[in-house]
Amino acid sequence: GENVEQHPSTLSVQEGDSAVIKCTYSDSASNYFPWYKQELGKRPQLIIDIRSNVGEKKDQRIAVTLNKTAKHFSLHITETQPEDSAVYFCAASGQTGTASKLTFGTGTRLQVTL
Amino acid sequence: EAQVTQNPRYLITVTGKKLTVTCSQNMNHEYMSWYRQDPGLGLRQIYYSMNVEVTDKGDVPEGYKVSRKEKRNFPLILESPSPNQTSLYFCASSSTGQGANGYTFGSGTRLTVV
Repeated sequence: GENVEQHPSTLSVQEGDSAVIKCTYSDSASNYFPWYKQELGKRPQLIIDIRSNVGEKKDQRIAVTLNKTAKHFSLHITETQPEDSAVYFCAASGQTGTASKLTFGTGTRLQVTL
Repeated sequence: EAQVTQNPRYLITVTGKKLTVTCSQNMNHEYMSWYRQDPGLGLRQIYYSMNVEVTDKGDVPEGYKVSRKEKRNFPLILESPSPNQTSLYFCASSSTGQGANGYTFGSGTRLTVV
């Protein structure tokens, strides 16, 4: 089955700096890669996703890049703000290529300091 | 309001006492899934369902059962709970196909088995 590794497990940045979280996956058939943000005590919420026919996607201060050859994808947050502090999870879809069989990474706790 | 509703939010039970965690979605989604979240392990998929009467095992299905008799409901059943099933559980749903926008998660159920 799919295996997703995520690094780093914790990340501390100063407000205004950029943050990068990296994930690798094992199943070359995976073609859907969402990122979720989970604030303390809350549910995970989808913040951005990318499909294998796209190499990069941006949404305001966040962007995701995908390298299918190397089987890795990354989340980039620019101009970080205190409200970006949360746990971020990457995920990859399984055999079907839909959202049903999603395998998650172990999470990155991002802390944005003033 | 489009949502995934789980009940209960908190549950403390004793080893061996059967319990059911309910999950309902009002978005007419085909896909539903159960995850458990444990510190350092991220979100691990227990079971998922691609439609009514179609379910499949995720990565950690042992000790759990599910059913999908109606499209909107996807209950998680623990026939004989054990302390290692103490965890935070999330139900999630998604629409089908490549246009899927990832899972929408419920608010979570914190289960303690003593």
